[in-house]
Amino acid sequence: SQQGEEDPQALSIQEGENATMNCSYKTSINNLQWYRQNSGRGLVHLILIRSNEREKHSGRLRVTLDTSKKSSSLLITASRAADTASYFCASRGGSGTYKYIFGTGTRLKVLA
Amino acid sequence: KAGVTQTPRYLIKTRGQQVTLSCSPISGHRSVSWYQQTPGQGLQFLFEYFSETQRNKGNFPGRFSGRQFSNSRSEMNVSTLELGDSALYLCASSDPGTSGVSEQFFGPGTRLTVL
Repeated sequence: SQQGEEDPQALSIQEGENATMNCSYKTSINNLQWYRQNSGRGLVHLILIRSNEREKHSGRLRVTLDTSKKSSSLLITASRAADTASYFCASRGGSGTYKYIFGTGTRLKVLA
Repeated sequence: KAGVTQTPRYLIKTRGQQVTLSCSPISGHRSVSWYQQTPGQGLQFLFEYFSETQRNKGNFPGRFSGRQFSNSRSEMNVSTLELGDSALYLCASSDPGTSGVSEQFFGPGTRLTVL
């Protein structure tokens, strides 16, 4: 399969807790992006991290990238019920490649 | 700026028919990508267009085709529909600029049901 892997497949936490999702990919990358999807709707872009970056922050989101392990993680701090959604990573290969390979996704449920 | 729009939002077809889906990217975005999302296979890349040229194609049969117009709007066509083509079809646009790296912005998708 071309897909990247994400774990866990599903995560259920209480409001206020932190949620961590992991993503692994198979080839060297140009960049990796994280997305959120609510109930089979379109995807919302969260963060883009380039291959030469190790960490990025955006509000309550923190993304790390370890190219030696071909993995990335998304941390959502102080989660809210509104964060309930599926989260996907998408990696793009090196030069000459313009397609993104999506991970299998993590279904996050935040309980109020 | 208006977001990515896709039409129609929902479509029901029967096996053997063909279908055309449309995507209007964010104004100024020249790259448009198409994805198929199903519960079993997840999000799969179909193809990417930039300035009317297809730069990458995913592992889909030739029944899946696309094109991009000079105004960057894109269409994808699926001929001889099969039951397995039932899916959410997502379009994404981006503006790579000189770095070649940019965020993808997705439309709401077209939900295709093949009966």
